[in-house]
Amino acid sequence: DVKVTQSSRYLVKRTGEKVFLECVQDMDHENMFWYRQDPGLGLRLIYFSYDVKMKEKGDIPEGYSVSREKKERFSLILESASTNQTSMYLCASSPPGYEQFFGPGTRLTVL
Amino acid sequence: AQSVAQPEDQVNVAEGNPLTVKCTYSVSGNPYLFWYVQYPNRGLQFLLKYITGDNLVKGSYGFEAEFNKSQTSFHLKKPSALVSDSALYFCAVRDMRVNAGKSTFGDGTTLTVKP
Repeated sequence: DVKVTQSSRYLVKRTGEKVFLECVQDMDHENMFWYRQDPGLGLRLIYFSYDVKMKEKGDIPEGYSVSREKKERFSLILESASTNQTSMYLCASSPPGYEQFFGPGTRLTVL
Repeated sequence: AQSVAQPEDQVNVAEGNPLTVKCTYSVSGNPYLFWYVQYPNRGLQFLLKYITGDNLVKGSYGFEAEFNKSQTSFHLKKPSALVSDSALYFCAVRDMRVNAGKSTFGDGTTLTVKP
């Protein structure tokens, strides 16, 4: 079975902290994605990566960075967390042109 | 640019009745269209997709969707709703010519099926 895992289901951080969200997929997919999900706003793409060390900004990249050193792992970094980054973060992977497979999500609260 | 609209925030149906969740899209080239479902406290799961071919696409859990190019729509349907179908549904579109790998999602429609 296809599997995307995220390092934490729930995370609580303080304003100004550096936050790392990790995502791992075991399907050898080229594409990986980070979204945030907020009520009434659907899924908004933060960053995606179509190959190792390659990344492209999504719709809302401000305040975030990403790292993809290995094909199976895609990390989202909040350089200095702020309260408006409190959200559900979803990671996904896909082969090119096909549907995405999502992880269970990380609910991040920034106090 | 590509975009998706799900005009209804909420759809309520009685168990056993047919259901429709609406989706319209806009892309410059040919669309790849997807439906995903999110059950409470879970990640999104793929339901079905339209890439090419037959306009009526069948997917998981008895769902189907009809691609209508002239109306730029891809509505999700099920002939007989179950209480367990209650969830949040997302439509997504991708224009493979322009944004290879990137999908745009709608805001989601909450489906509630009442016994």
